[in-house]
Amino acid sequence: DTGVSQDPRHKITKRGQNVTFRCDPISEHNRLYWYRQTLGQGPEFLTYFQNEAQLEKSRLLSDRFSAERPKGSFSTLEIQRTEQGDSAMYLCASSSPTGGVETQYFGPGTRLLVL
Amino acid sequence: AQSVTQPDIHITVSEGASLELRCNYSYGATPYLFWYVQSPGQGLQLLLKYFSGDTLVQGIKGFEAEFKRSQSSFNLRKPSVHWSDAAEYFCAVGAGSGGGADGLTFGKGTHLIIQP
Repeated sequence: DTGVSQDPRHKITKRGQNVTFRCDPISEHNRLYWYRQTLGQGPEFLTYFQNEAQLEKSRLLSDRFSAERPKGSFSTLEIQRTEQGDSAMYLCASSSPTGGVETQYFGPGTRLLVL
Repeated sequence: AQSVTQPDIHITVSEGASLELRCNYSYGATPYLFWYVQSPGQGLQLLLKYFSGDTLVQGIKGFEAEFKRSQSSFNLRKPSVHWSDAAEYFCAVGAGSGGGADGLTFGKGTHLIIQP
């Protein structure tokens, strides 16, 4: 079990550019979550997948944000036309609900800075 | 919609002293409750979780939490802190089956400082 991995760990971009982040969940975990964490705040839920199906996306911050999980394994989060307000830590988590209380395992995050 | 309040932004505790971090939640049904810890450069690590059963929950690293429905609280405790406990602590509430269906709602966190 290698844990949840995210790539890149850091990203600096200029306003208006598109960025894409990748998340590799723990093997066999069928649920995958994306969160955003800004300075001094707790993580904020954005979206999640059950296998390849995106079951909740109404919490994505704007239509500039999109996420995919095409084969039910890794996922990507894309931000188009980045703005300075998008600067934050983007966290990915995965889980495998088996009844009882579901445990989400978090990756180290991708820290985005928009100049 | 659910919400979580962590009233203390910062807490300073001497090494070896006891610790209690407060968490109050708002949720219309029986909540799924979690405490996570985040160290600099590290991902969030689950300390403990609760849904039903014994209201005193034991977690990793010597932490425990007590669910009090009447107070809508889920406070985290540790009898004796170590310098390595210095970190950011987040309380979270989940909804839906298993607690994950709508994602977790986190509090703003409590920054724990350990004095030597």
